[in-house]
Amino acid sequence: GQSLEQPSEVTAVEGAIVQINCTYQTSGFYGLSWYQQHDGGAPTFLSYNALDGLEETGRFSSFLSRSDSYGYLLLQELQMKDSASYFCAVGRSGNTPLVFGKGTRLSVIA
Amino acid sequence: EAGVTQFPSHSVIEKGQTVTLRCDPISGHDNLYWYRRVMGKEIKFLLHFVKESKQDESGMPNNRFLAERTGGTYSTLKVQPAELEDSGVYFCASSQVAGGSYEQYFGPGTRLTVT
Repeated sequence: GQSLEQPSEVTAVEGAIVQINCTYQTSGFYGLSWYQQHDGGAPTFLSYNALDGLEETGRFSSFLSRSDSYGYLLLQELQMKDSASYFCAVGRSGNTPLVFGKGTRLSVIA
Repeated sequence: EAGVTQFPSHSVIEKGQTVTLRCDPISGHDNLYWYRRVMGKEIKFLLHFVKESKQDESGMPNNRFLAERTGGTYSTLKVQPAELEDSGVYFCASSQVAGGSYEQYFGPGTRLTVT
């Protein structure tokens, strides 16, 4: 089977840094993706890690450790608009369907 | 470039009725996926098309669900007859085949409520 674990909720202060962790157990692993979804909106792609290490894209960074089956999404300089659900997801290869975690609801407070 | 579009955005039907959801992927994307999110749970895979062929339908819950992608362009997902547990948000996503693409582009979803 395949499963991904991530915290259900996180609250952080505007301007702060927050880390959302994800651990996975999958039969076959191609890479770890992160998606953001605002209420009522479409999941949108944030980042992807196929190899160990840190990938940085603006205020967002994502990390992967394949040996630990672990990754995280790091959001810096939090803004109110970052309040959303964040999903980690894995795929067996580049174009196969994604297996998602249950999502982490991030609330950014003033 | 237009994104993935889905129609309708919302649908409320009674148990036993039929509903057809439509997805228009990004032009040129051969991969098309259907996912579903039941309230409070994870987004779960239903079906994957490559062009007009069903590549993987292991996530389809039962034979009340029928997906088609005639001509390899838009796709439809029909639920017949609908049951209460079919309620949820149905997402469609598309991606390119070549170039090691790993990003899936999601549509806004169709919120289905079965009463």
